[in-house]
Amino acid sequence: SAVISQKPSRDICQRGTSLTIQCQVDSQVTMMFWYRQQPGQSLTLIATANQGSEATYESGFVIDKFPISRPNLTFSTLTVSNMSPEDSSIYLCSVEATNTGELFFGEGSRLTVL
Amino acid sequence: GIQVEQSPPDLILQEGANSTLRCNFSDSVNNLQWFHQNPWGQLINLFYIPSGTKQNGRLSATTVATERYSLLYISSSQTTDSGVYFCAVSRRGNNNDMRFGAGTRLTVKP
Repeated sequence: SAVISQKPSRDICQRGTSLTIQCQVDSQVTMMFWYRQQPGQSLTLIATANQGSEATYESGFVIDKFPISRPNLTFSTLTVSNMSPEDSSIYLCSVEATNTGELFFGEGSRLTVL
Repeated sequence: GIQVEQSPPDLILQEGANSTLRCNFSDSVNNLQWFHQNPWGQLINLFYIPSGTKQNGRLSATTVATERYSLLYISSSQTTDSGVYFCAVSRRGNNNDMRFGAGTRLTVKP
């Protein structure tokens, strides 16, 4: 399985600011995904990030709020822009194993917006 | 979109007991996976099982795709099995439209 590192692991942010979350994978992967997990809730897919093309966003998520970069096959960033308390969540990076189709997750980034 | 229902929502067991978690889905799927989220938030992939049966130690899973459900069996439960178990499905074979169920919160007491 891939080793996925996310930074920061947690942060406390002020309303109106933006924060960029980094995701680093120890091997090249085609598909990377960003998920949000609101407190006590399940996971919701934000977007799919493919190298060399714009991210594909799910319904309810827009690029202006959650810009994503995917500069190469091992790295991606998710920015949470103009944060409000409703953005307090765990944000998770995940990758698809090339051979098996299994989905693997990073440790998550726990954001608290005051 | 596809609906995913997991039951029970909460489950409390004594150490050593067995349990069955269920995942129902509303449409045919080509991708189904079970995950465990430990109390620290880390998500671990347990099974990739769009159909058939798999076993890994004390855990096993069965998916009956034609009847649109999957079962996760935990035998001889341990306190380290505590956490939330998620089922996730996709109509496509890949992961770019995975839908997660609400999860089953399992507490195993010593």
